[in-house]
Amino acid sequence: DAKTTQPTSMDCAEGRAANLPCNHSTISGNEYVYWYRQIHSQGPQYIIHGLKNNETNEMASLIITEDRKSSTLILPHATLRDTAVYYCIVRARSYNTDKLIFGTGTRLQVFP
Amino acid sequence: GAVVSQHPSRVICKSGTSVKIECRSLDFQATTMFWYRQFPKKSLMLMATSNEGSKATYEQGVEKDKFLINHASLTLSTLTVTSAHPEDSSFYICSARGSGDPNEQYFGPGTRLTVT
Repeated sequence: DAKTTQPTSMDCAEGRAANLPCNHSTISGNEYVYWYRQIHSQGPQYIIHGLKNNETNEMASLIITEDRKSSTLILPHATLRDTAVYYCIVRARSYNTDKLIFGTGTRLQVFP
Repeated sequence: GAVVSQHPSRVICKSGTSVKIECRSLDFQATTMFWYRQFPKKSLMLMATSNEGSKATYEQGVEKDKFLINHASLTLSTLTVTSAHPEDSSFYICSARGSGDPNEQYFGPGTRLTVT
């Protein structure tokens, strides 16, 4: 699986949009971009995923560049409960090698 | 999303004893389950992957005789830490994936193991 690079930490004011970048310059054509987050002392929570089109769900939006070498997770109106570590992962979704490998993630701190 | 449970949520055991952690998929059949370990302020590290009815595949550096994994049914996987030592103290997280489409992966809440 391709590796990802994320900033170590970010801050965001409550109510503002949080934009979390991720670089995955070695991504292959069959690899999806997944985002999970982990709130302190809990298991990771699935947020969103995409292949090449932008995606939106009730939690967030995912913007993937045309060359697919980077993406941005957008939390449109951050709340204090969004404080967590956010992981960007690329996943091949092929049977024999299909596993999620976590990088170091971005620690997002939402402040009042 | 689908629900994955783990039991116990916390466990303290003495050095040299074994401890078993259960992972259950509550509302879907998990053809594949994963076990991760996480040390404080570190990322999740994949330990092993198991398919129902098959032997687990361990990641490099993970001792299969120390971390016994059983995936006997489509809703249950267990991780047994044998002859536990203080350095095995960690946060153990299981994850489960179904066979349908989309075959997304869902995580349990984790088990905090402390070996004294």
